[in-house]
Amino acid sequence: AQSVTQLGSHVSVSEGALVLLRCNYSSSVPPYLFWYVQYPNQGLQLLLKYTTGATLVKGINGFEAEFKKSETSFHLTKPSAHMSDAAEYFCAVSDRAGNTPLVFGKGTRLSVIA
Amino acid sequence: SQTIHQWPATLVQPVGSPLSLECTVEGTSNPNLYWYRQAAGRGLQLLFYSVGIGQISSEVPQNLSASRPQDRQFILSSKKLLLSDSGFYLCAWSVYTDTEAFFGQGTRLTVV
Repeated sequence: AQSVTQLGSHVSVSEGALVLLRCNYSSSVPPYLFWYVQYPNQGLQLLLKYTTGATLVKGINGFEAEFKKSETSFHLTKPSAHMSDAAEYFCAVSDRAGNTPLVFGKGTRLSVIA
Repeated sequence: SQTIHQWPATLVQPVGSPLSLECTVEGTSNPNLYWYRQAAGRGLQLLFYSVGIGQISSEVPQNLSASRPQDRQFILSSKKLLLSDSGFYLCAWSVYTDTEAFFGQGTRLTVV
């Protein structure tokens, strides 16, 4: 069974600083990996996904993530934080076999300080 | 393009009252449908998912039930709400079980 661990339930960065949100997964088969963003009282919005091919994936709003199989990681980064990036971020994994729905991490709340 | 509608946006219900939350998807056929609950600080909990009409998988035994009366309609119900049913409920759909899910705007349920 797959699982996802997001290190740090809350991350705080200064405006203009690097954003790094950590995600490690466990899967017995090569996974599909996803990052979602959730603004207060809204649904989740897909930021980016990794399925196959290039391991560095670019998403919306300037975010990107790199799939590192050897480290079982899929960390989310953004070079320069904006105030509008303040939200909750969720990492998710699926097993490619279509047997079970996506498994989500517990989320990381990102705060951006002016 | 595909859209997902979920209503109501907020709901305050007394303990012991029934619940019915509805979700519909437009622009696609035979979607996989999901109900998630999000309690404060506890991430996303998958409650039910459905791969077709009348096919419901329950992930967590609880006071809730789900039904899929039509291809693109998913309903979350309870006969008698408990205080612990309070939370943010999210409906989602996907093309396949292992592909990205697309979420509705959610329903904030407060049981008083």
